[in-house]
Amino acid sequence: ETGVTQSPTHLIKTRGQQVTLRCSSQSGHNTVSWYQQALGQGPQFIFQYYREEENGRGNFPPRFSGLQFPNYSSELNVNALELDDSALYLCASSFYPGALNNIQYFGAGTRLSVL
Amino acid sequence: AQKVTQAQTEISVVEKEDVTLDCVYETRDTTYYLFWYKQPPSGELVFLIRRNSFDEQNEISGRYSWNFQKSTSSFNFTITASQVVDSAVYFCALSEPNTGNQFYFGTGTSLTVIP
Repeated sequence: ETGVTQSPTHLIKTRGQQVTLRCSSQSGHNTVSWYQQALGQGPQFIFQYYREEENGRGNFPPRFSGLQFPNYSSELNVNALELDDSALYLCASSFYPGALNNIQYFGAGTRLSVL
Repeated sequence: AQKVTQAQTEISVVEKEDVTLDCVYETRDTTYYLFWYKQPPSGELVFLIRRNSFDEQNEISGRYSWNFQKSTSSFNFTITASQVVDSAVYFCALSEPNTGNQFYFGTGTSLTVIP
C-alpha cells in the first residue's frame, strides 16, 4: 500500500451537479497531483498542488478546481458536471516538485459516474 | 503530440511465457525520467521502476527487466516466466523537470496471462 487514501471510492452524480473528491497524501510528501483516467485510457494530468498553491495545470477547464490544506491533503472540485466527466480520478503524492526522488505514489482512485 | 506511445493495446500470453511491453517516448529535454506502473483491476497504480535520462543501464529485478535505449527513445519492459498475477494494465510514463512533476502517461497495455 502507498499510504495515499482517496474518498469516496465510488460516486454517482447527475449532469450539472457539483462534486468534491478527497485525497490524503503519504506521510512526508507535500505535493499532490490529480489525474483523470477515462475508461481504456491512460491518466491525464489535471493539476498539481504544492504548499497549498496550484503548481501546474493540464488542459482542463476552470470548472475543475482544487485545494490543498496545511496537512497536505487535497480536494478536487468539479462544477457543472458533464457526462464526459465520468472517469476514475486518481490522486498521487510525492516530494516537492523538482526533487531528485520524484516518484508519484497513487491512491486507488474515485470512480465517478455522471448520469 | 503524444509524448508516450504504447502501441500494444492488448497482449495475451500463456503462463510461463516471456512477454515484452513496448514504450516509445518523445521529449526535447535532456533531463527526464521514465516510469512503469502496473494497474490491477482494483485501480491503484503501482510503481514498478524509475529511470533517469542519464542512466541507460538496463535493470533486472526478479522476473522483471527493463531496456532503456535513448537512441531509439524506447523504454521496454520484459516479464520473464509470466504468472497469472501479472495480469493487469501496464503504463509507461514520462516526467520532465521543466514541467514540474507532471507525468505524461501512455494509453497502457493490457496484459492477460492465461493459466
